[in-house]
Amino acid sequence: DAKTTQPPSMDCAEGRAANLPCNHSTISGNEYVYWYRQIHSQGPQYIIHGLKNNETNEMASLIITEDRKSSTLILPHATLRDTAVYYCIVRESNTGNQFYFGTGTSLTVIP
Amino acid sequence: DAGITQSPRHKVTETGTPVTLRCHQTENHRYMYWYRQDPGHGLRLIHYSYGVKDTDKGEVSDGYSVSRSKTEDFLLTLESATSSQTSVYFCAIAPGADTEAFFGQGTRLTVV
Repeated sequence: DAKTTQPPSMDCAEGRAANLPCNHSTISGNEYVYWYRQIHSQGPQYIIHGLKNNETNEMASLIITEDRKSSTLILPHATLRDTAVYYCIVRESNTGNQFYFGTGTSLTVIP
Repeated sequence: DAGITQSPRHKVTETGTPVTLRCHQTENHRYMYWYRQDPGHGLRLIHYSYGVKDTDKGEVSDGYSVSRSKTEDFLLTLESATSSQTSVYFCAIAPGADTEAFFGQGTRLTVV
């Protein structure tokens, strides 16, 4: 039960911003939004997470709508190494529960 | 890779044999997880642990058992391997319930 909906694939030109959308219309008040990515067959890599405020770190920005029903991951200047499958995950806080991975968005950065 | 080591990285085994995969961490994190990844299914949780000797089942736990006798090691055992357990297995660790998890590099298991 992934609880999120993402487009299966997207392309982005190298150097441009990549905006990856995610719908999580059934999210509850104590659930965080997490983003991971997986390059080839490596282990998933943590990118960012947030509850209701926008977040930014050295990798990306996370924009969460005011009603929290959707979010967007922004990679500000995509490089070829950002080609990967990106997973948007909602997770109940303070439970240590699992991360439910859906099928994600396959992002291809084009030279 | 956040101090996580999975062993072995690759294994081929025969149907009906027991198999144990090991996840070792050097981060002293409380939570540890075992996932499997198959084409078309994404990652699915097998078992997880929230402390030494404290474990719980995930969504695909049938045919698997786990043990955690010390903080740093989380073992996944296939009691009698079947071809349907051919998969890539990932271990993950997390310091707390509200924190991100860090994943290992995976173990590719083939059951013939």
